[in-house]
Amino acid sequence: GQNIDQPTEMTATEGAIVQINCTYQTSGFNGLFWYQQHAGEAPTFLSYNVLDGLEEKGRFSSFLSRSKGYSYLLLKELQMKDSASYLCAVTDSNYQLIWGAGTKLIIKP
Amino acid sequence: TAGITQAPTSQILAAGRSMTLRCTQDMRHNAMYWYRQDLGLGLRLIHYSNTAGTTGKGEVPDGYSVSRANTDDFPLTLASAVPSQTSVYFCASSDSTQGGNEQFFGPGTRLTVL
Repeated sequence: GQNIDQPTEMTATEGAIVQINCTYQTSGFNGLFWYQQHAGEAPTFLSYNVLDGLEEKGRFSSFLSRSKGYSYLLLKELQMKDSASYLCAVTDSNYQLIWGAGTKLIIKP
Repeated sequence: TAGITQAPTSQILAAGRSMTLRCTQDMRHNAMYWYRQDLGLGLRLIHYSNTAGTTGKGEVPDGYSVSRANTDDFPLTLASAVPSQTSVYFCASSDSTQGGNEQFFGPGTRLTVL
């Protein structure tokens, strides 16, 4: 079967750094996405990785290791507005997105 | 640019009734998708369309039907609603299903079936 695992909830302090992990087992791999979803809102795109390594975009970075079936999203200089759920999704061999349940990130002042 | 819109925003529906959730995009995207999102579960694909005139079944298609008569519109119909279809429904679109094409999401429809 296909499976995406992420922690259910994480807590971090404003100004700090947090790493949200995602492991996956899918039938094929054609890329991994991270999306942000604020409560009551739609998911919005954060990053896309298809090759191994780190992709940096401002305060957010995403890492991929295809051999390990592993990715992480790194958020630096946390702000209160970063309180949201972070969704990991993998594109399988049929180019369908398989979604994790999401990690709820709580930022404390 | 409106992007992708959904209607209604929310709805309470009696079990056994039918309903159509509307979705329209103005980005001229080829691919469109319908997901449901339930607490503790990831987004689950109901139906998708790679291009106008074609549709396909996703992970949880039973009880739902779709049509794609043109590029912009992708309505989702519940023929006879059941309480287990209570969920938040998101429509999304992307330029294509290939590669790193991100999906853009509508604001969602919150549906309660009683």
